[in-house]
Amino acid sequence: DAGVTQSPTHLIKTRGQQVTLRCSPKSGHDTVSWYQQALGQGPQFIFQYYEEEERQRGNFPDRFSGHQFPNYSSELNVNALLLGDSALYLCASSGTGGEVRTGELFFGEGSRLTVL
Amino acid sequence: SQQGEEDPQALSIQEGENATMNCSYKTSINNLQWYRQNSGRGLVHLILIRSNEREKHSGRLRVTLDTSKKSSSLLITASRAADTASYFCATVYSNDYKLSFGAGTTVTVRA
Repeated sequence: DAGVTQSPTHLIKTRGQQVTLRCSPKSGHDTVSWYQQALGQGPQFIFQYYEEEERQRGNFPDRFSGHQFPNYSSELNVNALLLGDSALYLCASSGTGGEVRTGELFFGEGSRLTVL
Repeated sequence: SQQGEEDPQALSIQEGENATMNCSYKTSINNLQWYRQNSGRGLVHLILIRSNEREKHSGRLRVTLDTSKKSSSLLITASRAADTASYFCATVYSNDYKLSFGAGTTVTVRA
């Protein structure tokens, strides 16, 4: 049973460019959350998708957008990249879709983005 | 801003010793979770404790929760070199969907 898979694992972009990161949730999970983790910091919540809708959003600018597909996979898009967007981007899935309270999250290995 | 705050920021112990780290949070929670992260990799869920629970065990892990003090502790007993990692606490508020992570405690277990 495959866990959460993310692609690409590493990428390098220059300021002003756009990037798309992809995530496939663990089998049976319908909810996908995205986190940004800067070096030496804890993960920061970007947003969560459930039933193809953004259900909750963290304190990130509109340059960060996402999408969830009918098969529950998800994309994170970041436009007009800044140096400060360099981070590990983590996708996490869970199966608590219809419930309010979040239980255990299953994380992918992340996509390491470097902005030059 | 990050909700949970771990203490200490870093911890170095000898193999076989116990490691204790603490987490404090600011508002009422539904549950609190602990995760482990090996260098630069994804996070792995360790244990979840609900607001109406006071203590939980999982193998060599023991977690306590004191809602009156808004704090939790994670104890790793008989540490091994493989326990070297960063440990994060994460809180879930009532009627909230997201996990809010602290900055983590980096644990180094010396052989």
